[in-house]
Amino acid sequence: DIVMTQSPLSLPVTPGEPASISCRSSQSLLHKNGFNYLHWYLQKPGQSPQLLISLGSNRASGVPDRFSGSGSGTDFTLKISRVEAEDVGVYYCMQALQTVITFGQGTRLDIK
Amino acid sequence: QVRLVESGGGVVQPGRSLRLSCAASGFTFSTYSMHWVRQAPGKGLEWVGVIWYEESDKEYADSVKGRFAISRDNSKNTLFLQMNSLRAEDTAVYYCARAPGYGIFDYWGQGTLVTVSS
Repeated sequence: DIVMTQSPLSLPVTPGEPASISCRSSQSLLHKNGFNYLHWYLQKPGQSPQLLISLGSNRASGVPDRFSGSGSGTDFTLKISRVEAEDVGVYYCMQALQTVITFGQGTRLDIK
Repeated sequence: QVRLVESGGGVVQPGRSLRLSCAASGFTFSTYSMHWVRQAPGKGLEWVGVIWYEESDKEYADSVKGRFAISRDNSKNTLFLQMNSLRAEDTAVYYCARAPGYGIFDYWGQGTLVTVSS
């Protein structure tokens, strides 16, 4: 199975400041169709996970443009340009290249 | 609007069985693959398995293979997870999720809690 490794695991951020989360996979997530099968989710406190970014860099419907995803192959990054209070929660990366899907450990973002 | 509602969770003794349901509405259920994902208390997300819109095709995580079975009733827009030989480590909130393609989970249910304890 593909192992997904996120860093940092805890991320305290001052409102208005940027934040960045790294996600690395044990194998390339680049499909022969040219897409990276890497997706980002946010689980806000007490809620179900919600899709943020699909295929490495495509913001989901309704996701603010302060969120962006980048990367290819085995190295990916989720960036928040200016953190707001509503962004608190646990961020997960997930690979879907293989039928057996795997998630990163999660990164907990808190407001300082 | 798209809605996924899980049910069937509860407290069950080790070794017993439980069946979860996920009622779907607001979309053409039969044309989507559906997944189950679980989250143990205070832990991260763990993929459980998938059933493609072709009901005969399913795949499972090694941790549940041979014990859990996913099925669907497209006529009733319902997804199921039959859980047998339950263990304490199966204690988790179980989510169903819709997958429109590329392994993307675009909608999730609210989850149902399964507690395996004597």
